[in-house]
Amino acid sequence: QVQLRESGPRLLKPSETLSLTCSVSGDSMNIHYWTWIRQPAGKGLEFIGRIFSTGSTDYSPSLKSRVSMSIDTSQRQFSLRVTSVTAADTAVYYCARESLYGDYPYDFWGQGSLVTVSS
Amino acid sequence: DIQMTQSPSSLSASIGDRVTITCRASQNIRGYLNWYQQKPEQAPKLLIHAASRLHSGVPSRFSGSGSGTDFTLTISSLQPEDFATYYCQQSYNAPRTFGQGTKVEVK
Repeated sequence: QVQLRESGPRLLKPSETLSLTCSVSGDSMNIHYWTWIRQPAGKGLEFIGRIFSTGSTDYSPSLKSRVSMSIDTSQRQFSLRVTSVTAADTAVYYCARESLYGDYPYDFWGQGSLVTVSS
Repeated sequence: DIQMTQSPSSLSASIGDRVTITCRASQNIRGYLNWYQQKPEQAPKLLIHAASRLHSGVPSRFSGSGSGTDFTLTISSLQPEDFATYYCQQSYNAPRTFGQGTKVEVK
């Protein structure tokens, strides 16, 4: 069974850099896209970006200037960095697998990691 | 970006009711439409992919239909565990985008 788990600091100050890592088990990372999605409290889901095993990335246009992703398939991990955070970046951050089977759904998700930005 | 618009934003229903949620894309996305269910404090779960294909383990009371720009999620007979928020999502092109969600509440 595929499992994903987010890890990283939960409390940041404005202007700091958010760094999260997603650890993947039960799956080769070489086939699918690996994605970050976030959800502010009481709001909907927002695509942040995705990365393939080759390092190829797609980012949300609204976050592109502050976001970067990396992947280490040997360690079965992929990571997210968001620079210059503000309170608007406070959200639950999910990592997910975008399956290349069956029209690219997000078929496996991490449990989510609440990141709070506060001075 | 492709805009995804769900309606209604919320609805009240009773156990056993037939529930229908619609999702409209701002451009033709063929059949690249997925539906998710999210309960409070949980990650979303995939219900339907490719507009109408039931994900493994999902009860058959859930069904999806549509293509192009207009899509529907139907719950044929609402069960207690179905009270949740439902999201559509297009996987036609990047960046992926979600609808704003439809909250199904107890009537």
